[in-house]
Amino acid sequence: TQLLEQSPQFLSIQEGENLTVYCNSSSVFSSLQWYRQEPGEGPVLLVTVVTGGEVKKLKRLTFQFGDARKDSSLHITAAQPGDTGLYLCAGGLGSNYKLTFGKGTLLTVNP
Amino acid sequence: EAQVTQNPRYLITVTGKKLTVTCSQNMNHEYMSWYRQDPGLGLRQIYYSMNVEVTDKGDVPEGYKVSRKEKRNFPLILESPSPNQTSLYFCASSLTGGAPYEQYFGPGTRLTVT
Repeated sequence: TQLLEQSPQFLSIQEGENLTVYCNSSSVFSSLQWYRQEPGEGPVLLVTVVTGGEVKKLKRLTFQFGDARKDSSLHITAAQPGDTGLYLCAGGLGSNYKLTFGKGTLLTVNP
Repeated sequence: EAQVTQNPRYLITVTGKKLTVTCSQNMNHEYMSWYRQDPGLGLRQIYYSMNVEVTDKGDVPEGYKVSRKEKRNFPLILESPSPNQTSLYFCASSLTGGAPYEQYFGPGTRLTVT
């Protein structure tokens, strides 16, 4: 059973469109992170959310942590080809020092 | 420049031939970890280390060994590699192992075992 479920698994859109990807779980996380990974490279941290209901913005990217700290969403406004990549969410559970990753959403933004 | 480095970046080997993948970080991070990434399975944690001489198993530790003799280095050892260990491996580090678990990843090592 996957602890963190990401949806959709694949997403192909045109430049300028908006999109939202989701990260859901039945577990409560002490914090949740979003990473972006480009082909041939390691994941790069985009944001960490800690407080239930928290919203963080990074230019055209908006991240939200669910009130119950079980889910998160990433919204991209006016997507650009440079946004193409694998988006991963990852969560930490209390004092457990393991970080659990979702399988990711592979986003392709076509010019 | 703050970074996590891994060597080698690419490695092709044969079944049973011991190998070591090195990982080093220059950020004075306490926590270091190894992951493997496979299509359809995502990133899975192999081993992690809370600090020097403190290591623990992740979700898929079978067939791997690690050691943490210095804070900056965390090598991954495959004593007798098998084809099912063909994968993309990432080393990561973070300031501590506690929340918020922000990890910084190396560039990856693509291992092929024939």
